[in-house]
Amino acid sequence: GQQVMQIPQYQHVQEGEDFTTYCNSSTTLSNIQWYKQRPGGHPVFLIQLVKSGEVKKQKRLTFQFGEAKKNSSLHITATQTTDVGTYFCAGPGSGYALNFGKGTSLLVTP
Amino acid sequence: DAGITQSPRHKVTETGTPVTLRCHQTENHRYMYWYRQDPGHGLRLIHYSYGVKDTDKGEVSDGYSVSRSKTEDFLLTLESATSSQTSVYFCAISTQGVNTEAFFGQGTRLTVV
Repeated sequence: GQQVMQIPQYQHVQEGEDFTTYCNSSTTLSNIQWYKQRPGGHPVFLIQLVKSGEVKKQKRLTFQFGEAKKNSSLHITATQTTDVGTYFCAGPGSGYALNFGKGTSLLVTP
Repeated sequence: DAGITQSPRHKVTETGTPVTLRCHQTENHRYMYWYRQDPGHGLRLIHYSYGVKDTDKGEVSDGYSVSRSKTEDFLLTLESATSSQTSVYFCAISTQGVNTEAFFGQGTRLTVV
């Protein structure tokens, strides 16, 4: 199935700094989804992007889908301690299942 | 949270014993999934179901089997547990497979000793 590569694996920032995680696929994706998992919790859906070049915002979070629909990014402006967790991108895999990237773990220091 | 219940939430078992994890949903979603999560590997698909009695393998299906005899229940069985199957197991559901969001259960932490 299609693989999605996600970088960086870890990111440690000071509160108030910005954060970006990137997701790349070798093949065109029909859509890409983003999830957040708090420490000790389960993944929770954040957003789905479908259109080429699409940009969506959720408060301090900005999600982009590349023009070629092979890459995506999640940018957090002015991080807060509540942003701590692991962020996953996911794209359609073989069959009816999503393929998840390995995730980016974000640590925010007050 | 979506109506997904995983049981048990925690289990310690011995190598070589069979183990069954249960995922129960009250949402009537067609698609159900089992993922395992390990440090450095993210979420890896074990098996999934696209309807009653319709299942397919994921990337890490060896040593696992599944059954879905009714819409609301998806069972994951480790026929003979090994230490490499120590992991956190997540069940997920969705209405339209890869085209809609997935809702995850709380997870089951399985330790094989």
